[in-house]
Amino acid sequence: EVQLVESGGGLIQPGGSLRLSCAASGFTVSSNYMSWVRQAPGKGLEWVSVIYSGGSTYYADSVKGRFTISRDNSKNTLYLQMNSLRAEDTAVYYCARVVDLNWFDPWGQGTLVTVSS
Amino acid sequence: SYVLTQPPSVSVAPGQTARITCGGNNIGSKSVHWYQQKPGQAPVLVVYDDSDRPSGIPERFSGSNSGNTATLTISRVEAGDEADYYCQVWDSSSDHCVVFGGGTKLTVL
Repeated sequence: EVQLVESGGGLIQPGGSLRLSCAASGFTVSSNYMSWVRQAPGKGLEWVSVIYSGGSTYYADSVKGRFTISRDNSKNTLYLQMNSLRAEDTAVYYCARVVDLNWFDPWGQGTLVTVSS
Repeated sequence: SYVLTQPPSVSVAPGQTARITCGGNNIGSKSVHWYQQKPGQAPVLVVYDDSDRPSGIPERFSGSNSGNTATLTISRVEAGDEADYYCQVWDSSSDHCVVFGGGTKLTVL
């Protein structure tokens, strides 16, 4: 079964750092495009970042320079390093596999990040 | 950057047909994908590449895309279809690679 499980969310003060993890099973992370999507409380979906199978990475303007997407092939896990966190980064963060450089399937269950003092 | 526009809400009676639109400049030239999200749950893909259905998604869900509007159609609506629905495209022509619509809340009366 293809599955994604996120972890690493929590309460963090503004300016702090946090690393999210997304453990995959049923497929190989390094052979796929993988992405992070977030959803602020009561709001819609916002794309955050993508890593291609070849290693290229892209970011939304709102997180560029602060967030870094990466993967550990030996652990079949995707990461999102988040630095200089702001209140507006508060959201549920989902990881998802990108299919055919087009759509997202499946999605993980999400992990909540709360940035507050 | 590319913008996708959805109506905030759509209401329909059980057994009727719901149509949720997604507007974008020449969206007919792009592949549009649709997700269903129920409260407290992760999004689920219900239509990809304008009109294809993943395995396990009922035939009641269908999609179309032409001109400046893509449409998700849900036939014979059931109470369990009540959810938020999001359209999405991959805009590889810009740095903002992925664009989501603002979402539509489907209410089953």
